[in-house]
Amino acid sequence: EPEVTQTPSHQVTQMGQEVILRCVPISNHLYFYWYRQILGQKVEFLVSFYNNEISEKSEIFDDQFSVERPDGSNFTLKIRSTKLEDSAMYFCASTREGLWDSPLHFGNGTRLTVT
Amino acid sequence: TQLLEQSPQFLSIQEGENLTVYCNSSSVFSSLQWYRQEPGEGPVLLVTVVTGGEVKKLKRLTFQFGDARKDSSLHITAAQPGDTGLYLCAASTRLDSGYSTLTFGKGTMLLVSP
Repeated sequence: EPEVTQTPSHQVTQMGQEVILRCVPISNHLYFYWYRQILGQKVEFLVSFYNNEISEKSEIFDDQFSVERPDGSNFTLKIRSTKLEDSAMYFCASTREGLWDSPLHFGNGTRLTVT
Repeated sequence: TQLLEQSPQFLSIQEGENLTVYCNSSSVFSSLQWYRQEPGEGPVLLVTVVTGGEVKKLKRLTFQFGDARKDSSLHITAAQPGDTGLYLCAASTRLDSGYSTLTFGKGTMLLVSP
């Protein structure tokens, strides 16, 4: 069964550094998402992306965050200047159709540790 | 944003026992999904419920959507160690833009001991 893949599985960075988290969604999916899960807390929506542009974003997704689909397969999340509170599991997800009509397929996440 | 309350937060039981976990909101759900998340992995969809009063079965798992679509429950019969994991409920909200977002509860951590 096709799956969403994320790299790296674990990223350690120093505060103030830029990080790029990478995702390869399922190939025939059209909607892409980033979620994060701070240790012990709930999964939180960051951003959704469709037709090469952001369709929705949460309050968490401030100017330090950006997303890009640089080619036909990758979907990236960039954090420009990391803060300690950015430490979390970051999950990429994709759906073939909009959330209303099809379920999310999650990757296994990237654990980001900001020191 | 809908606030989803899941209970209990943590449940530790012996293999063979039955259990029920709950997901509640003060708002009406358009649809609700249940996910299971194992350590080091992303959530995996178990089921989607849409209609008030709906009951869906997935082997030993029974999902129920409340008549008023404000609550849902997951019942596991004869739990097995392989059922161990974090059970998340998530509600889909259709936005004015036509897009949807998914709001998660904090989850119920289930530990099934042999």
